[in-house]
Amino acid sequence: DVKVTQSSRYLVKRTGEKVFLECVQDMDHENMFWYRQDPGLGLRLIYFSYDVKMKEKGDIPEGYSVSREKKERFSLILESASTNQTSMYLCASRQTSYEQYFGPGTRLTVT
Amino acid sequence: QKEVEQDPGPLSVPEGAIVSLNCTYSNSAFQYFMWYRQYSRKGPELLMYTYSSGNKEDGRFTAQVDKSSKYISLFIRDSQPSDSATYLCATRPLNQGGKLIFGQGTELSVKP
Repeated sequence: DVKVTQSSRYLVKRTGEKVFLECVQDMDHENMFWYRQDPGLGLRLIYFSYDVKMKEKGDIPEGYSVSREKKERFSLILESASTNQTSMYLCASRQTSYEQYFGPGTRLTVT
Repeated sequence: QKEVEQDPGPLSVPEGAIVSLNCTYSNSAFQYFMWYRQYSRKGPELLMYTYSSGNKEDGRFTAQVDKSSKYISLFIRDSQPSDSATYLCATRPLNQGGKLIFGQGTELSVKP
């Protein structure tokens, strides 16, 4: 019954490293999303994609990029990780106008 | 001002209590209003949604939207320890590719 999977549950990286977070969905959805979740700030949208090779910036895209080469896979890239990017990262894909299916999240720590 | 505001809590109640969770939003063009529930170490899952003003009931849960005051509420009757989770309200702006805007989330703990 797995719908959205993320490559890692926990990740520890050093400042300046390039970090790849992978997300795969098996529902043939066109729209996919990357959020970060921080205490007191809720879920904030980083980037989303409405089709293969298409992407749109969300509310906080600075320091991030994305890649969508195949419909089922949406990758989030931290070009040069910084400590303020320590967070929970959640991937989602869109089922309906109001429902998104979320993955279990990746807790990233940048030291 | 955030587009969707939610008191982050935490909120602690005894088992059996009625719980009221609330959000306000700023844009009258928002149409869909959702509540997501997130258990510890899991991603959020859709709990309920409404499209317009009024109430929607599902078992012990009631979602309420008042568009005139831009207020969204979730009521939980006979709360159970298994209801302990973070509850996030969300809404959907038009013509933005299915983007959802979430509140900060309220952490709820129901004590046995």
